[in-house]
Amino acid sequence: EVQLVQSGTEVKKPGESLRISCKASGYNFASYWIGWVRQMPGKGLEWMGVIFPGDSETRYSPSFQGQVTFSADKSINTAYLLWSSLKASDSAMYYCVKSYSGSHSALEYWGQGTLVTVSS
Amino acid sequence: VLTQSPATLSVSPGERATLSCRASQSISTNLAWYQQKSGQAPRLLIYQASTRATGVPARFSGSGSGTEFALTINSLQSEDFAVYYCHHYNVWPPVTFGQGTRLEIK
Repeated sequence: EVQLVQSGTEVKKPGESLRISCKASGYNFASYWIGWVRQMPGKGLEWMGVIFPGDSETRYSPSFQGQVTFSADKSINTAYLLWSSLKASDSAMYYCVKSYSGSHSALEYWGQGTLVTVSS
Repeated sequence: VLTQSPATLSVSPGERATLSCRASQSISTNLAWYQQKSGQAPRLLIYQASTRATGVPARFSGSGSGTEFALTINSLQSEDFAVYYCHHYNVWPPVTFGQGTRLEIK
């Protein structure tokens, strides 16, 4: 059974750094693109981009390029989403997602989400 | 850009619901539909415009190609009332989701 288990709720201050995680199981982690989707409070879904854990190739949405960093550690089947300097506007729910196939495909499996709150 | 309509759809249990998604330029059949219930992560229903994902009931069907797409839910069950998003995954224009359609009980 495919599972994506994300790290827990985070409360941070503006300017702080943050890394959230997504641990995958039930499939060959290195062979499928894994991505991130943002959902701001009460709003819709936004595709942030994807990473291929096999070689760490990344594809960022133009809206998120330069704002976040994706990484992956295939030795422990875990993907990460990183911010170097958080803003209040980064407050949202973040979902990790497994692509069905390829870097641009349907999002077959979803993590449970990590809620990030950035407030002074 | 993907535009979903209507924003809210009110339908009685047992009836059929049809949700629309329009793309601003052709995306072939590179479109998926997701269901999101309150407080939960989205769930993939349909990919490649018309292929049901594993475990999705047959009352859900997708259609369309190019710029016009639809998700039809036959014989609505109580558990089907949720928000539905379409999502195109072409390389270009950049990947995007529609703004969502809320399906509510009439």
